[in-house]
Amino acid sequence: GAVVSQHPSWVICKSGTSVKIECRSLDFQATTMFWYRQFPKQSLMLMATSNEGSKATYEQGVEKDKFLINHASLTLSTLTVTSAHPEDSSFYICSARPGARGDTQYFGPGTRLTVL
Amino acid sequence: GEDVEQSLFLSVREGDSSVINCTYTDSSSTYLYWYKQEPGAGLQLLTYIFSNMDMKQDQRLTVLLNKKDKHLSLRIADTQTGDSAIYFCAEDNFNKFYFGSGTKLNVKP
Repeated sequence: GAVVSQHPSWVICKSGTSVKIECRSLDFQATTMFWYRQFPKQSLMLMATSNEGSKATYEQGVEKDKFLINHASLTLSTLTVTSAHPEDSSFYICSARPGARGDTQYFGPGTRLTVL
Repeated sequence: GEDVEQSLFLSVREGDSSVINCTYTDSSSTYLYWYKQEPGAGLQLLTYIFSNMDMKQDQRLTVLLNKKDKHLSLRIADTQTGDSAIYFCAEDNFNKFYFGSGTKLNVKP
């Protein structure tokens, strides 16, 4: 149980285009979903927290207009990288939390984004 | 975010025990976690400990928590080559996770 999927697993796009990444909780309803970014050989950095039906809360330094998050249902959150640039190339990982605080987060397998 | 620190590398021989250490700064953290990340993959939850516990054992894994010193450790008994990966500790602070930098464990046959 507690499986989180991400799609696509990798994507290559041209500079200036937008890319959408999906995060789905497959066998549970996720009250909260999180988006992280991981640069090579570095730790995960929390980008934003989203609750179903409300606006995402972005961490300091993360551009909300650049990284659009939509948490449309209790099993789906999407991250859209708008007008992508090479510096946006990274490993994006989502996680989902089933319920109230105290439940752990379950992580997706990640999406490798490469912007040419 | 909060400061969560780990040593970057650890190398052990197969069959030995591995101990990965982590220090954190926020004493209000409720849960502390250990995750494993293999190359190119996402994070796999290994174990977690509630902040009012000192120790938790789960098969080959033992977690020790010293809340006074804000020190967390993960001991892997009988380390295998398949344990080679990056291990992250994370603290849960008001519904946000703050990760350490990760410790790369190299297991030599």
